[in-house]
Amino acid sequence: GQNIDQPTEMTATEGAIVQINCTYQTSGFNGLFWYQQHAGEAPTFLSYNVLDGLEEKGRFSSFLSRSKGYSYLLLKELQMKDSASYLCAVRDSGGYNKLIFGAGTRLAVHP
Amino acid sequence: DVKVTQSSRYLVKRTGEKVFLECVQDMDHENMFWYRQDPGLGLRLIYFSYDVKMKEKGDIPEGYSVSREKKERFSLILESASTNQTSMYLCASSLGREYYGYTFGSGTRLTVV
Repeated sequence: GQNIDQPTEMTATEGAIVQINCTYQTSGFNGLFWYQQHAGEAPTFLSYNVLDGLEEKGRFSSFLSRSKGYSYLLLKELQMKDSASYLCAVRDSGGYNKLIFGAGTRLAVHP
Repeated sequence: DVKVTQSSRYLVKRTGEKVFLECVQDMDHENMFWYRQDPGLGLRLIYFSYDVKMKEKGDIPEGYSVSREKKERFSLILESASTNQTSMYLCASSLGREYYGYTFGSGTRLTVV
């Protein structure tokens, strides 16, 4: 079966650091993505991990452990504009670039 | 930049109507996808297409069909709309296995009354 779990909601304070976890159990694996989605808008790409380890991109970092079926997205120096939903998605191992999405984590950043 | 355009941002349809949702991409992408997004359930794959006239069922194809007569256009069809098909519908496209996954359209919020 295919299962991707992430927390439903999180809150954090402006300027702080927040970590959003994602665990997955999928029949195949060919990379993990994080997308950001503001209310009423399309998801936009944040990060991609296919090998174990940490990928850093400015204020955002993403970590992957394939053996544990685990990833996290780390957001540093939080800003109000980071209030959004964060979607974890796994690409399956078939040839069609299919992504399987988690339900998303809604992050609220407070002053 | 690749653009994925969905024809309508908001739609209101009556139960039993046949509904067409259109999606057009402008970068010669092979793969196109239709998802629906519901609170607490995330994005669920309805259908996808990997070439003209080729289609594959996703996880929730019941009540839907698709058409891909031209490479740039992928249509989602609700044969007889029902209230449980009220949702946000997102179209996406990709060339292959890009590092960024998909390019998404802006979405169509469909309400069936």
